Amino acid sequence: DTGVSQDPRHKITKRGQNVTFRCDPISEHNRLYWYRQTLGQGPEFLTYFQNEAQLEKSRLLSDRFSAERPKGSFSTLEIQRTEQGDSAMYLCASSGISVSKFFGPGTRLTVL
Amino acid sequence: AQSVAQPEDQVNVAEGNPLTVKCTYSVSGNPYLFWYVQYPNRGLQFLLKYITGDNLVKGSYGFEAEFNKSQTSFHLKKPSALVSDSALYFCAVRDMGTNDYKLSFGAGTTVTVRA
Repeated sequence: DTGVSQDPRHKITKRGQNVTFRCDPISEHNRLYWYRQTLGQGPEFLTYFQNEAQLEKSRLLSDRFSAERPKGSFSTLEIQRTEQGDSAMYLCASSGISVSKFFGPGTRLTVL
Repeated sequence: AQSVAQPEDQVNVAEGNPLTVKCTYSVSGNPYLFWYVQYPNRGLQFLLKYITGDNLVKGSYGFEAEFNKSQTSFHLKKPSALVSDSALYFCAVRDMGTNDYKLSFGAGTTVTVRA
């Protein structure tokens, strides 16, 4: 499978715990994006990497959120001290020279 | 600023009938426009995009969309809907004239095709 992959697909955690999600983009894509989708809403942009550089962060990305793409390939999104409001689907997407973004299956986070 | 409006939360059609999902957009410059489809508990699947050129864009699974600059619309259409087209559809926009690569999505339209 040469699409975008995300791990885990589902995560249930207790409030206050830290969680980390991983995204593996399409191999030749240099741009990687994180979006968050809550029930009944469209995806909202969180952050964007070009190669290993994080070029933009949304104001939605509080200090508890951090994203990395250390070698310009896979990326991780960490949420510290999770809150119930963090419950959402976290989507990763990648793109290359084309403007089209290709999304992964998402990680559904439930914070109890 | 860029934004998308999908004025209908739900669209219901009978199988075999034409399907239209509406989208209007707002950007400062010229738009890149996209349609994605999402099945339950799945990520977004790319359907089609408009960059430039012909206003009628053909995409996956028999879908097409018509770009109308004067009405700032990009409605998704399918001549004959299938039950398997039942899903959540998102329209998205990006301003062509910026180096801002993020997409702005509409809230989504749930399509139900009844047999």
